[in-house]
Amino acid sequence: EAGVTQSPTHLIKTRGQQATLRCSPISGHTSVYWYQQALGLGLQFLLWYDEGEERNRGNFPPRFSGRQFPNYSSELNVNALELEDSALYLCASSLPDSYEQYFGPGTRLTVT
Amino acid sequence: QKEVEQDPGPLSVPEGAIVSLNCTYSNSAFQYFMWYRQYSRKGPELLMYTYSSGNKEDGRFTAQVDKSSKYISLFIRDSQPSDSATYLCAMSALAGTASKLTFGTGTRLQVTL
Repeated sequence: EAGVTQSPTHLIKTRGQQATLRCSPISGHTSVYWYQQALGLGLQFLLWYDEGEERNRGNFPPRFSGRQFPNYSSELNVNALELEDSALYLCASSLPDSYEQYFGPGTRLTVT
Repeated sequence: QKEVEQDPGPLSVPEGAIVSLNCTYSNSAFQYFMWYRQYSRKGPELLMYTYSSGNKEDGRFTAQVDKSSKYISLFIRDSQPSDSATYLCAMSALAGTASKLTFGTGTRLQVTL
């Protein structure tokens, strides 16, 4: 069974630009979660999507947004990039009503 | 104060040692407790999960939860070099859907030959 996949693996952007990160969940999983893992800060919850709807949001500014498509894949958009947005962005998926989240390998975003 | 505290390490042990990894938390609403293992340049991998207080064993791994002390532990017996990774504790207050997990910052473990 294929795991959670993310693309691209690495992304380099300049301050002020926009970044788009993509995630495909495990087949059968309807929930997708996005986390930011910055150095020394651990994983910070960003967004949770389920059945195409945003269900919960972490303490991040509105320039972090996303969506979930009918096939349950998801996209994270970060607008007006700042240097401190440089981090590993992890996507996880889960079955409906499950607290077991399975993570992808992440997208490393570097903002220069 | 962070909701979940975890010693970042690094923790270095010889092969075959018993490893003890710990997290403390402040939110008494947390009911679901998980341990993830993260190898370098990889996403976290779910190792074990427990509900409420008590112990759970899976092979060389034992997870312990003490809700009265707001303290959770992961024990690794007969540690192997392949156990070298960062171990993250995670917690959730909600039943059913996870909604969001609150993670510790992770403890880096190095098992030496």
